[in-house]
Amino acid sequence: QSVLTQPPSASGTPGQRVTISCSGSSSNIGSDTVNWFQQLPGTAPKLLIYSNNQRPSGVPDRFSGSKSATSASLAISGLQSEDEADYYCAAWDDSLDGYVFGTGTKVTVL
Amino acid sequence: EVQLVESGGGLVQPGRSLRLSCAASGFTFDDYAMHWVRQAPGKGLEWVSGISWNSGSLGYADSVKGRFTISRDNAKNSLYLQMNSLRAEDTALYYCAKDRTYDILTGPDCWGQGTLVTVSS
Repeated sequence: QSVLTQPPSASGTPGQRVTISCSGSSSNIGSDTVNWFQQLPGTAPKLLIYSNNQRPSGVPDRFSGSKSATSASLAISGLQSEDEADYYCAAWDDSLDGYVFGTGTKVTVL
Repeated sequence: EVQLVESGGGLVQPGRSLRLSCAASGFTFDDYAMHWVRQAPGKGLEWVSGISWNSGSLGYADSVKGRFTISRDNAKNSLYLQMNSLRAEDTALYYCAKDRTYDILTGPDCWGQGTLVTVSS
């Protein structure tokens, strides 16, 4: 049972904006930075956003992250078919003394 | 280019042991913390363990604490996971992942392709 809760699914048509939420607590999101990972079907996860809102080089600026109190969000603007994937938030948890992943959100492009 | 290649997975009976290895290249291995993350078939990601650059800081998920041991050999650019007392619920694809910094708190950035561990009689 993950301590970071995400909606199981999200969808949109090409060009639309999709937002994924990640709900945590004071021991994880509330006290540490949030990372987001994209996992395309059959592949290893890829870092999409780090430190709440920073994009690694090569990640399109269509992807953006934000954090407020004990929640975080990932926004995908200008949705494209290649964005169809599973998305996970993650953060260090001070109470568990370990790194925790969110439950994951499957994004479907209609 | 960062490369992480896992090995050592396979089919093992419950209660037995297995040792995973991860060969790293393309970066200065001893500058970064490392992690093991697993994914059961059709399920989400689960952090298993992490180790800081100098092995001074170790972390384990509660689900593996006391059974798994993470280690690294900076001279060999290698990461290891010794898994004892394996259970059916340990069945998963195990990923080796490099951290963004020297400390395990920041989290992974680059991932290997994984090695499959199946625990079954």
